Amino acid sequence: GESVGLHLPTLSVQEGDNSIINCAYSNSASDYFIWYKQESGKGPQFIIDIRSNMDKRQGQRVTVLLNKTVKHLSLQIAATQPGDSAVYFCAERSRYGQNFVFGPGTRLSVLP
Amino acid sequence: NAGVTQTPKFRVLKTGQSMTLLCAQDMNHEYMYWYRQDPGMGLRLIHYSVGEGTTAKGEVPDGYNVSRLKKQNFLLGLESAAPSQTSVYFCASSSRTGGALNEKLFFGSGTQLSVL
Repeated sequence: GESVGLHLPTLSVQEGDNSIINCAYSNSASDYFIWYKQESGKGPQFIIDIRSNMDKRQGQRVTVLLNKTVKHLSLQIAATQPGDSAVYFCAERSRYGQNFVFGPGTRLSVLP
Repeated sequence: NAGVTQTPKFRVLKTGQSMTLLCAQDMNHEYMYWYRQDPGMGLRLIHYSVGEGTTAKGEVPDGYNVSRLKKQNFLLGLESAAPSQTSVYFCASSSRTGGALNEKLFFGSGTQLSVL
């Protein structure tokens, strides 16, 4: 079964607001996590990653938070823009392997 | 650099026909993967390869075969296509030795396959 899942399948936010997309994982051996963005008709694009020895990592307008205690990962997008509308996937990789396990994805819709 | 290139981009097959999807990467990555993506579901791993000449089964390998004769290429074959194999197929590559920048999965643009 899936070891990575998302709490919300869809998320609608007003342009300019902050977005938070959540992800739960079950494999305590996972040591590397990635968020991907997928626009319609395209392949997944890397957004940001984080290793298990970190709790937070920031990029340009995006922040990933990792809570290993409850096995929870979140992606925060600041000042959400229309171009942020897409499906967002979290993925995890075990420290013992090379495969990535993906969640089902969350569709983010940015309202004008 | 082109990154990960998949061919073809679209294909329509009749049930029972065979075809091969080609994936090529120019980043010298050791690891290559084939995923399928179905509506409402995440990416599911079909087969993967950790190096030239080696392949392994993923989560949903039935009905597919793969080959990695060259490091830069990873082929996905359907010997006898079935309607259940209608999906979008993505190839990806990564590396553990190329530094932190290469550890993440780099994806191709996908192949839309319809089996009638």
